[in-house]
Amino acid sequence: EAQVTQNPRYLITVTGKKLTVTCSQNMNHEYMSWYRQDPGLGLRQIYYSMNVEVTDKGDVPEGYKVSRKEKRNFPLILESPSPNQTSLYFCASSPQVLSYEQYFGPGTRLTVT
Amino acid sequence: AQKITQTQPGMFVQEKEAVTLDCTYDTSDQSYGLFWYKQPSSGEMIFLIYQGSYDEQNATEGRYSLNFQKARKSANLVISASQLGDSAMYFCAMRRGGWLTFGEGTQLTVNP
Repeated sequence: EAQVTQNPRYLITVTGKKLTVTCSQNMNHEYMSWYRQDPGLGLRQIYYSMNVEVTDKGDVPEGYKVSRKEKRNFPLILESPSPNQTSLYFCASSPQVLSYEQYFGPGTRLTVT
Repeated sequence: AQKITQTQPGMFVQEKEAVTLDCTYDTSDQSYGLFWYKQPSSGEMIFLIYQGSYDEQNATEGRYSLNFQKARKSANLVISASQLGDSAMYFCAMRRGGWLTFGEGTQLTVNP
């Protein structure tokens, strides 16, 4: 089954404790992206990747890192999480950057206390 | 910078009626794409419809159509014959290259 998976789905952590949210797709897609969703703000793009080893910042990259060492995986790293990073995070992928289909993962709800 | 504006935080419609969800965008680019997504209460993001900036015809997908008015920079979503299952949050989004910008969303409620 074609899908984008994210782990964990729910995470409660404390300020400053490094964490990684994994994202994996099994569709051989070139383009992958991370978003955060906050009430009243819609979704905001954090980072995106057009292919292996090619990443670029979105609208809200501060406090986040990404890597794209393999085509299927695009982890989101929070080196020192803070409470303002409490949010719902979505990973998405599409065949290429200009493809209109974009497949979203189920979301990861992160709470930083 | 590109910006998407959805001016209707909430909309109500009677079952079987049509509803229009508004979306305006701001960009100086000539090449861009416009999307609508649905997010039900379960939280997943569902792609509905896409319109390219050079597409001359308005996009349609089943009961969904996109009323694209390029000169006015608007990309309204029209849902015909609303169903109870259409109750959800709807997001308009614009893509320029790898960047995707979303609006704040419109919460649609379909009443029986």
